[in-house]
Amino acid sequence: DTAVSQTPKYLVTQMGNDKSIKCEQNLGHDTMYWYKQDSKKFLKIMFSYNNKELIINETVPNRFSPKSPDKAHLNLHINSLELGDSAVYFCASSQRRGASGGRGSEQYFGPGTRLTVT
Amino acid sequence: RKEVEQDPGPFNVPEGATVAFNCTYSNSASQSFFWYRQDCRKEPKLLMSVYSSGNEDGRFTAQLNRASQYISLLIRDSKLSDSATYLCVVNLANTGNQFYFGTGTSLTVIP
Repeated sequence: DTAVSQTPKYLVTQMGNDKSIKCEQNLGHDTMYWYKQDSKKFLKIMFSYNNKELIINETVPNRFSPKSPDKAHLNLHINSLELGDSAVYFCASSQRRGASGGRGSEQYFGPGTRLTVT
Repeated sequence: RKEVEQDPGPFNVPEGATVAFNCTYSNSASQSFFWYRQDCRKEPKLLMSVYSSGNEDGRFTAQLNRASQYISLLIRDSKLSDSATYLCVVNLANTGNQFYFGTGTSLTVIP
């Protein structure tokens, strides 16, 4: 009965490969996110989707392409992996997008995918 | 200038102590505020939302000062299990739905 799940938990791959990370939430939330946490533990938003529509796309290389087949899923595909892509990637969801007062925009995170590019 | 700034610590406090963390944010248009905790090699977990009037949840009290653009978290009667990194989060709630995380404040509660 995991609320936000991600697969795989660990991913080790070589430079130049293409890989995907999957995320699913069973909370009935409208909004989903992808975050990257680097080696310095800084957590930075990459993408935000609301009802399958992209609403934020931070300065992320276009090698990263999110796909939301439905409201409960947000996958992340990465082409031509580079050493600098090594990080922990977290998926999150919230009932709705941010709004004044914050109610409903609290985010719930998946367990993370630890990506190592060699 | 970073959107959200926190003292990284570390804070090392004895059990039972009271500890306070502050966080400042740069964008006055920020609408929503949160505190998360993150244990080593785990995902961030929501600790509490921060409302304008301030709010309390057991041993935890959060305050928001919009005029000075800072958020605080007070932990009373610290427990060993409170040891974690505490992340301050700010949401602009604009069309881009921007969320900004601080770099976190590390807390270790010592027996």
